[in-house]
Amino acid sequence: DARVTQTPRHKVTEMGQEVTMRCQPILGHNTVFWYRQTMMQGLELLAYFRNRAPLDDSGMPKDRFSAEMPDATLATLKIQPSEPRDSAVYFCASGFGNTIYFGEGSWLTVV
Amino acid sequence: GESVGLHLPTLSVQEGDNSIINCAYSNSASDYFIWYKQESGKGPQFIIDIRSNMDKRQGQRVTVLLNKTVKHLSLQIAATQPGDSAVYFCAERPPGTYKYIFGTGTRLKVLA
Repeated sequence: DARVTQTPRHKVTEMGQEVTMRCQPILGHNTVFWYRQTMMQGLELLAYFRNRAPLDDSGMPKDRFSAEMPDATLATLKIQPSEPRDSAVYFCASGFGNTIYFGEGSWLTVV
Repeated sequence: GESVGLHLPTLSVQEGDNSIINCAYSNSASDYFIWYKQESGKGPQFIIDIRSNMDKRQGQRVTVLLNKTVKHLSLQIAATQPGDSAVYFCAERPPGTYKYIFGTGTRLKVLA
């Protein structure tokens, strides 16, 4: 059963610390997305890649967030330094064609 | 980021009744739409999709209707079951992109 795998599932960190979230897209999927979900903003698109090339990161705060795809099996989302307002669930999704499939999310709490 | 957020409407239906969940999308030129179901503590799960050149598509117990004139999507769930309780999101794909923009979401509560 193919699925998008995200790590860590839960993370509590102190303000100012670096946080790295990882995503393994479904094998063969060439489009990878990072979304953030909060109660106030719903599901926001942060960035996405196609064939490992970044296509749109306009939703991402550039000063502290960065997203990369070192290879086709790994996408990373890094926050440095983290702030309490970054507390949210971060979802990775991947797709090939029209439909995209989500991972279970990384639940981040910054205290 | 791009999103439509804030207030989450709730729909309560009796078990066995049909449910209709509505969604207004923003871009009249969006070419593809997906409905997702999100259960508590989980990621959004694909339910059904529809292309902009269609106005109706049916799946197992679900039907999606697309009205491009008023930029409206609906998801119909037949014979709603307790397991259907979740938050439902519609997502649109703006033309010339691969990205998906999500709506606010609707919480469906199934009453026994």
